[in-house]
Amino acid sequence: GAVVSQHPSWVICKSGTSVKIECRSLDFQATTMFWYRQFPKQSLMLMATSNEGSKATYEQGVEKDKFLINHASLTLSTLTVTSAHPEDSSFYICSASPLTGELFFGEGSRLTVL
Amino acid sequence: AQTVTQSQPEMSVQEAETVTLSCTYDTSESNYYLFWYKQPPSRQMILVIRQEAYKQQNATENRFSVNFQKAAKSFSLKISDSQLGDTAMYFCAFMKLVGYSSASKIIFGSGTRLSIRP
Repeated sequence: GAVVSQHPSWVICKSGTSVKIECRSLDFQATTMFWYRQFPKQSLMLMATSNEGSKATYEQGVEKDKFLINHASLTLSTLTVTSAHPEDSSFYICSASPLTGELFFGEGSRLTVL
Repeated sequence: AQTVTQSQPEMSVQEAETVTLSCTYDTSESNYYLFWYKQPPSRQMILVIRQEAYKQQNATENRFSVNFQKAAKSFSLKISDSQLGDTAMYFCAFMKLVGYSSASKIIFGSGTRLSIRP
């Protein structure tokens, strides 16, 4: 089956620094990828839709200057958490779809901001 | 806007029993997909079962089956002969159909934490 890979799986950073998380579709091309955020014991909340070659579409309430998304190729989307603060600590998950009706998820990235 | 509601935050059953997880949704769309995803402690999202809204027949995958009631906007998951490995968070999810080659975002319910007791 289709595989989506995220890197890093776990990152710790100091407050004020920026962190980049990569999401790759390994065996298919994805013009669209999705970024979710999950707090402990809660559901996945859609943050933004990443569109290859164009600007990302952010959900209401998500700061686009805080969470920068770049989708430079058909197999790679990146999420950069800029000037990270402890409240940005969370589990971030990406997903991508080879065809409509199918969605595959990355392994997730746990961000801890000290 | 679409919403997905899971009214059971937690459930616990004995191994080998049958358990049903509830899900309701709200949408004005006529073409869409519904999913059940499982998230074990590893936090990897695993697709359990998928239902296309245009299909009247309920989807089945081995021990997992759904009861899809389109008019009532209900989509419950039944797990038969439950196993210890079924212990996980289960999320009901909705995806609007936008085209064969286009991807659409998934909206998740709040989840049900299922525990299978030995």
